[in-house]
Amino acid sequence: NAGVMQNPRHLVRRRGQEARLRCSPMKGHSHVYWYRQLPEEGLKFMVYLQKENIIDESGMPKERFSAEFPKEGPSILRIQQVVRGDSAAYFCASSSNTLEKLFFGSGTQLSVL
Amino acid sequence: DQQVKQNSPSLSVQEGRISILNCDYTNSMFDYFLWYKKYPAEGPTFLISISSIKDKNEDGRFTVFLNKSAKHLSLHIVPSQPGDSAVYFCAARGGGADGLTFGKGTHLIIQP
Repeated sequence: NAGVMQNPRHLVRRRGQEARLRCSPMKGHSHVYWYRQLPEEGLKFMVYLQKENIIDESGMPKERFSAEFPKEGPSILRIQQVVRGDSAAYFCASSSNTLEKLFFGSGTQLSVL
Repeated sequence: DQQVKQNSPSLSVQEGRISILNCDYTNSMFDYFLWYKKYPAEGPTFLISISSIKDKNEDGRFTVFLNKSAKHLSLHIVPSQPGDSAVYFCAARGGGADGLTFGKGTHLIIQP
C-alpha cells in the first residue's frame, strides 16, 4: 500500500547538467502535480498532468523545464542546463480526481553546485 | 501576488495550551480549504479540510474555522503536544487554478 514515491531523495548536479526527478503516484491515482519549494517559501505549483497529457503547466518556467506522465512508468520532471537558482525541494503529489485532496511524496532535494 | 497568506512565519506555544494558526486569502472563488503538516525532510501530509459552505470542521484535537466574509481561516489545536511541532501550510482549491494554492507556512514550536 505504497504512497507517492519520489526518487532520488537527493540529487546533486553541476551547473549546466540535466536533472531528472521521478514520481510514481499512489496506486489508482491518475492525476499528478509537481510543486517546488524554495528556501523560506511555500509550495509553488508547477504542472498538473494526467496520463499522457499535460493539463496545466502555467507554473513551469518557459525554458529548460519539462514534464511528462507516460502511459507506463512514473512521471518525470526534467530540468535541462540547471542553474544555482534551481536548487530547491521538488514535491510530487497525486490524487484520484480533481476534487480529492492531494497526497504528497517525500520530495527530491535538488542541489546545484 | 500571494493569494493565500500566512502572516506568522513562526509560533511558539506551551505544551497543553491551544495553538491557533491563521490564514487569509484573497480569491473569493476558492471553494475548499485544507491544512497540511510538514516535518523536515518529509512531504506535506493532509491534516484537515473545510468546504466553503461550512464554517467549522472538527477532527479530534484539530478544528478549522472559516470566516468567508473576512476571507480568513484558522486552525486550532488543543491541547498542543510536542509531536505537533512542524510547519503548517494552509492551502486552497479552486479560484481558476488547478491543484492547490499554498501559503508560505507557519512553523509551530511546542515548548515543553
